[in-house]
Amino acid sequence: GAGVSQSPSNKVTEKGKDVELRCDPISGHTALYWYRQSLGQGLEFLIYFQGNSAPDKSGLPSDRFSAERTGGSVSTLTIQRTQQEDSAVYLCASSFLTGAAFFGQGTRLTVV
Amino acid sequence: QKEVEQNSGPLSVPEGAIASLNCTYSDRGSQSFFWYRQYSGKSPELIMFIYSNGDKEDGRFTAQLNKASQYVSLLIRDSQPSDSATYLCAGRPNAGKSTFGDGTTLTVKP
Repeated sequence: GAGVSQSPSNKVTEKGKDVELRCDPISGHTALYWYRQSLGQGLEFLIYFQGNSAPDKSGLPSDRFSAERTGGSVSTLTIQRTQQEDSAVYLCASSFLTGAAFFGQGTRLTVV
Repeated sequence: QKEVEQNSGPLSVPEGAIASLNCTYSDRGSQSFFWYRQYSGKSPELIMFIYSNGDKEDGRFTAQLNKASQYVSLLIRDSQPSDSATYLCAGRPNAGKSTFGDGTTLTVKP
């Protein structure tokens, strides 16, 4: 597709379960970002991938959060042992080496 | 200090007025600047980018950049109720990651 694609669009999980969120960036984009946005709040940076460089993981809130990017394309954000405070919209964005980031539609995660 | 700071808002203007949204940044290495609009329940969408000092106009939108003052602004002329949204400012150094401000919520009242 032409845009950033995220799946699932909605996810409801039980507290303590693991979840995986997927992001398929725009073809050719070398940079990929994950953000989290709670209701009424700004974007919370989680992790940044750029080409083959080591990812910038400085925004990951705890060791329950991890992300990988396979083959410089698709990325998966994994949250282990989910907690209620993990409930938020998780946004993925991609860009070229320079230039603007383009966002996917997000995954709304609800931990019950 | 946050790397990108925006007016805390919310900002309310009457229909037809000029809305002025402001942003300052601390990283002098930032080269590119972007304005995004985010409607409630939606993802941010890019509306303007600016790389050079001065003004850049696109329809009712004008982005202004002053690198010496580390200041970026977005002017929306003839504001419409459909412009009501949260506006996010972002800065990016060459080959580095974009950093976003927390956003300013704009309400345009009919």
